[in-house]
Amino acid sequence: SYELTQPLSVSVALGQTARITCGGNNIGSKNVHWYQQKPGQAPVLVIYRDSNRPSGIPERFSGSNSGNTATLTISRAQAGDEADYYCQVWDSSTAWVFGGGTKLTVL
Amino acid sequence: EVQLVESGGGLVQPGGSLRLSCAASGFTFSSYWMHWVRQAPGKGLVWVSRINSDGSSTSYADSVKGRFTISRDNAKNTLYLQMNSLRAEDTAVYYCARDYGGNSGLDYWGQGTLVTVSS
Repeated sequence: SYELTQPLSVSVALGQTARITCGGNNIGSKNVHWYQQKPGQAPVLVIYRDSNRPSGIPERFSGSNSGNTATLTISRAQAGDEADYYCQVWDSSTAWVFGGGTKLTVL
Repeated sequence: EVQLVESGGGLVQPGGSLRLSCAASGFTFSSYWMHWVRQAPGKGLVWVSRINSDGSSTSYADSVKGRFTISRDNAKNTLYLQMNSLRAEDTAVYYCARDYGGNSGLDYWGQGTLVTVSS
């Protein structure tokens, strides 16, 4: 089965750049999607197909994917960006797979 | 405005059954694949099941295969999840979500409904 590995937590200073990674075997060959989930709320799609932003998502959110690692980058981090972030892919053997999630703390 | 509203959650004993519903509005429901995703208390997101636009094709996570059944009624704009032989480890918030299409992720989610399996 296909697995996605995320760090449990990432911290970033207010106004700085946060990078959240998602590791998987040859993940660069897959489409990676990223979700933001704030406490008590449903997830929100923030990046789809590696680097595309849905309408309404700030340009501060960007994504990349190569080799065995996909990365969600949040520029000029704000207090409102504090949330759990999940990566997700589709794999032919495991269907839809989520990473374990990363808690982003803005200091 | 796209809206997905889940219902049907509650407390059920181990071995029991429950049917969740997800009422969709604000888009052409019959054109989209739909999913169920769950989240145990304090844990991460776990994909459960998906159904294609006309209901002719379904898939399930191994953990629920043979116990859960996903279905849809396009005339009623409603998605369902029939859950049988429930176990304590099925306790979670269950979300329905719309598939963006073309392997582009899940673009709209409901607010979730809590299922608690306990005696």
